Amino acid sequence: AQSVTQLDSQVPVFEEAPVELRCNYSSSVSVYLFWYVQYPNQGLQLLLKYLSGSTLVKGINGFEAEFNKSQTSFHLRKPSVHISDTAEYFCAVSDHGGYQKVTFGTGTKLQVIP
Amino acid sequence: DSGVTQTPKHLITATGQRVTLRCSPRSGDLSVYWYQQSLDQGLQFLIQYYNGEERAKGNILERFSAQQFPDLHSELNLSSLELGDSALYFCASNSFRGSYGYTFGSGTRLTVV
Repeated sequence: AQSVTQLDSQVPVFEEAPVELRCNYSSSVSVYLFWYVQYPNQGLQLLLKYLSGSTLVKGINGFEAEFNKSQTSFHLRKPSVHISDTAEYFCAVSDHGGYQKVTFGTGTKLQVIP
Repeated sequence: DSGVTQTPKHLITATGQRVTLRCSPRSGDLSVYWYQQSLDQGLQFLIQYYNGEERAKGNILERFSAQQFPDLHSELNLSSLELGDSALYFCASNSFRGSYGYTFGSGTRLTVV
């Protein structure tokens, strides 16, 4: 079974500043990794995913994440945030099985301060 | 529009009642997943169906049940409702051996009064 730990429940950051949202996972098998974003009163939207290959993954809205197998981490970064990035961000993991049940972290609320 | 349709968007009902939430997956997706999101529990996996068959079960209460129909739409039935069942209920879908990750619907907000 897999698990995901998001180390920060809330992250305040000033507009145009860089941000990193931390995610660590635990699994005994190879995994796929995801970041989702949830804007207020909306469903979750896939931001980016790591399946294989390059450990640096680029997603939508200028976000990127780096897979670090030795540290079992998949931290999300953005060099310069905007007010519109205010949302909740979920890290998730699934194994390589055919039915791909995804396990989500508890979420990190990113608050961008003008 | 993500392609996953959930109805109704909002539902207010009394304790002890029964409700049905509906989900139509994205075209071509065979798997449907149900999640409950509440402030104290976060995002909790309830149940997964693949092409009409139950494939995985999570923290789903015995008062809750689900099914997936031949046209692949799914329904989540919640009965003997309690105040603590108030939450956002999300449906997600993906295709077996497809693009990986889920496509989520916009959710049904259930309020039990």
